[in-house]
Amino acid sequence: GAVVSQHPSRVICKSGTSVKIECRSLDFQATTMFWYRQFPKQSLMLMATSNEGSKATYEQGVEKDKFLINHASLTLSTLTVTSAHPEDSSFYICSASRDRSTDTQYFGPGTRLTVL
Amino acid sequence: LAKTTQPISMDSYEGQEVNITCSHNNIATNDYITWYQQFPSQGPRFIIQGYKTKVTNEVASLFIPADRKSSTLSLPRVSLSDTAVYYCLVGDLNSGTYKYIFGTGTRLKVLA
Repeated sequence: GAVVSQHPSRVICKSGTSVKIECRSLDFQATTMFWYRQFPKQSLMLMATSNEGSKATYEQGVEKDKFLINHASLTLSTLTVTSAHPEDSSFYICSASRDRSTDTQYFGPGTRLTVL
Repeated sequence: LAKTTQPISMDSYEGQEVNITCSHNNIATNDYITWYQQFPSQGPRFIIQGYKTKVTNEVASLFIPADRKSSTLSLPRVSLSDTAVYYCLVGDLNSGTYKYIFGTGTRLKVLA
């Protein structure tokens, strides 16, 4: 149990276009989902926290108008990178939490975004 | 700032036991300690979680002293495939929702 999927696994796009990444909890309902970004050889950096049916909470320095997060159901959250630029190229990882009391997060496999 | 501190890297040989210690001096009463493993270009994989004393599962053991200011992940008889980055995390309760602040992790290299 506790499987999280992401789609697509990798995407290449042109500068200025928007890209949507989906995160799904396959066998549990996720009260909270998280989005991270990871640059090569670096640690994961939390971008935002989202609870189903409410607005996402963004970390300091993350532009909420550029990284749109929608958490429409207990099993699906989406991250849209709007007007992507080469500096947005990164590895994007989502995670889902089903148990608030123990805070365990289960991570998706990640999405490699390359902006040309 | 990350709430945890770990050695940046460790080397070991196949078949040895590896112990990775993490410091979390400011751990809160409600915090659990969770360890993840990450391979390149993959999402972190849950290894083990504990609150106090000792926890053991099929892949690892977690030792937590009484003051909970540190924890040690123990990997028995490592193999080459255990080469990865290992993260120690404690939840950061924020407005009723825990979140993780990742530190550098420990890059474990298992040698033949």
